[in-house]
Amino acid sequence: GQQVMQIPQYQHVQEGEDFTTYCNSSTTLSNIQWYKQRPGGHPVFLIQLVKSGEVKKQKRLTFQFGEAKKNSSLHITATQTTDVGTYFCASLIQGAQKLVFGQGTRLTINP
Amino acid sequence: EAGVTQSPTHLIKTRGQQATLRCSPISGHTSVYWYQQALGLGLQFLLWYDEGEERNRGNFPPRFSGRQFPNYSSELNVNALELEDSALYLCASSLTVNTEAFFGQGTRLTVV
Repeated sequence: GQQVMQIPQYQHVQEGEDFTTYCNSSTTLSNIQWYKQRPGGHPVFLIQLVKSGEVKKQKRLTFQFGEAKKNSSLHITATQTTDVGTYFCASLIQGAQKLVFGQGTRLTINP
Repeated sequence: EAGVTQSPTHLIKTRGQQATLRCSPISGHTSVYWYQQALGLGLQFLLWYDEGEERNRGNFPPRFSGRQFPNYSSELNVNALELEDSALYLCASSLTVNTEAFFGQGTRLTVV
């Protein structure tokens, strides 16, 4: 079954509003990766977090890894139309030997 | 440097036929992953190859199979195609199991 749960499934915002997607697991994650897939495109790697409590920023994007390494979040400040797409978290589940993706959050933006 | 390349980009097959999808990883990458993405849905893990061996497979029936060649390129074979096999099949490669995955453009398989 799905080992990495991602919410929400869909999010529609007005341009300029903030956006957050969450990724949760019942098991400890060795790392967390975030990908973005534009409509009609393929997933593109954004960032990887490895350390407990780690926070990384990329311009308007803030990525967090939970203290227990069981959850993560991606926050976008002041969304722009170029942020449209589906955001996936992914992780190598300890002991599972596979890169598992969350279900993704599809972000749409009203200009 | 060339990225991950997949062929063909589109494939139309009849129910019951076999499909073969190909993937060439980034040079130097030994790990190749295959994922199925049905329309509007997430990425479902299919297979993982590393150093020529199958390391893990997802919850798919045995008619989904594949292999990795000595040059680390990979093939995904789907036998006895069913209508619900219609999806985008994505291949990704990574340098090691703990580094980021680079995706190809995918093969859009349509079963009619």
